[in-house]
Amino acid sequence: QVQLVESGGNLVKPGGSLRLSCGASGFSFSHYHMNWIRQAPGKGLEWVSYLTSGTPTVDYADSVKGRFTISRDNPKNSLYLQMNSLRAEDTAVYYCVAGGSGRFTFWGQGTLVTVSS
Amino acid sequence: IQMTQSPSSLSASVGDRVTITCRASQSISMFLNWYQQKPGTAPKLLIFAASSSQSGVPSRFSGSGSGTEFTLTISSLQPEDFAIYYCQQSDRTPFTFGPGTKVEIK
Repeated sequence: QVQLVESGGNLVKPGGSLRLSCGASGFSFSHYHMNWIRQAPGKGLEWVSYLTSGTPTVDYADSVKGRFTISRDNPKNSLYLQMNSLRAEDTAVYYCVAGGSGRFTFWGQGTLVTVSS
Repeated sequence: IQMTQSPSSLSASVGDRVTITCRASQSISMFLNWYQQKPGTAPKLLIFAASSSQSGVPSRFSGSGSGTEFTLTISSLQPEDFAIYYCQQSDRTPFTFGPGTKVEIK
């Protein structure tokens, strides 16, 4: 069955960096657009970034543009999110999500990133 | 594109018909998706393209609308349906979600 497993969440100080990873299985990873979506504690959902399948196109929410970088390794069925210059407002559960055409079909269980001194 | 939902919360009984409304700040054609989220779990896609049901979703869930106004209807609320429901536009980036509607037990 479809599985998306995030890792790399941790407690980090403001200004610090963190790299999230997501391992995928049970579906044709290279054919899916991949996304990171986050949810601050007790809050709603915020799309963070996507990386398309095929000829890669990336896009980011304005709130993370210039600080976060999304990447994928199709042979390893893996998605990554490099997060730099972290701020308190980046504190959230980060979900790895597979989909297409802006539709979010398969979700991981999430990994918690806490930015605090 | 800003997304709004109404109501923000509702109380209903098992068997009730429930309708949630989602509005977009500009026309998004039918690029509208609905998700269900239960406490401590990831969201689950219910409806895509405004009215198409995701595989495995019970038939009591249905979606309608186009342009700027959309609805999610649960025809007969079941105990497992108590959750938060989010709409999301997929017309253009940044993809945006509504603030959610919490469906609680009356």
